[in-house]
Amino acid sequence: DQQVKQNSPSLSVQEGRISILNCDYTNSMFDYFLWYKKYPAEGPTFLISISSIKDKNEDGRFTVFLNKSAKHLSLHIVPSQPGDSAVYFCAAPNPGSARQLTFGSGTQLTVLP
Amino acid sequence: DVKVTQSSRYLVKRTGEKVFLECVQDMDHENMFWYRQDPGLGLRLIYFSYDVKMKEKGDIPEGYSVSREKKERFSLILESASTNQTSMYLCASSPTGSTEAFFGQGTRLTVV
Repeated sequence: DQQVKQNSPSLSVQEGRISILNCDYTNSMFDYFLWYKKYPAEGPTFLISISSIKDKNEDGRFTVFLNKSAKHLSLHIVPSQPGDSAVYFCAAPNPGSARQLTFGSGTQLTVLP
Repeated sequence: DVKVTQSSRYLVKRTGEKVFLECVQDMDHENMFWYRQDPGLGLRLIYFSYDVKMKEKGDIPEGYSVSREKKERFSLILESASTNQTSMYLCASSPTGSTEAFFGQGTRLTVV
């Protein structure tokens, strides 16, 4: 039972355009969400997060939007750059044990020059 | 600078061998984790530890055990490696009270 779902395994975008990566969750107790980025042969690195008390958090080219009623969040990258090509994971801390993160299956973003 | 180091980048082992994956962090973090990453499945938690000598099962602990004798070191043990344990293994750590985990570079394990 996947509590965090990323239904698009891959996404291709032209350089300079917007990339939108989506994530859905089923557990209404989740109150914090994180996005991680992973390059091949490297560990994931933290990118951006959002608390459930907000509906938007922005950091440079990266913005995360949260729609609690739809249990949906999205990561927007504007403008997309070839160096953004990576696998993106959304994650949420388990309500019962905030130490643990539950990850989605990831979306491979390819930004075409 | 934050650092989580996994002892091997690539490992090839035979079926039935006992395998040790080592992870060391230099940030004095209380929490340490072992995940495996498989295509289409994302990162799945195998075990985690929130203190020395403490361990808790994650979502897929079968076939694995862990050891945390020192705060900075968390070992994952495959008692008898099998081909379905071929995967990318990722170690992570986080401080108490934080949800942000810092990851090592990963160990690509192939069991033949």
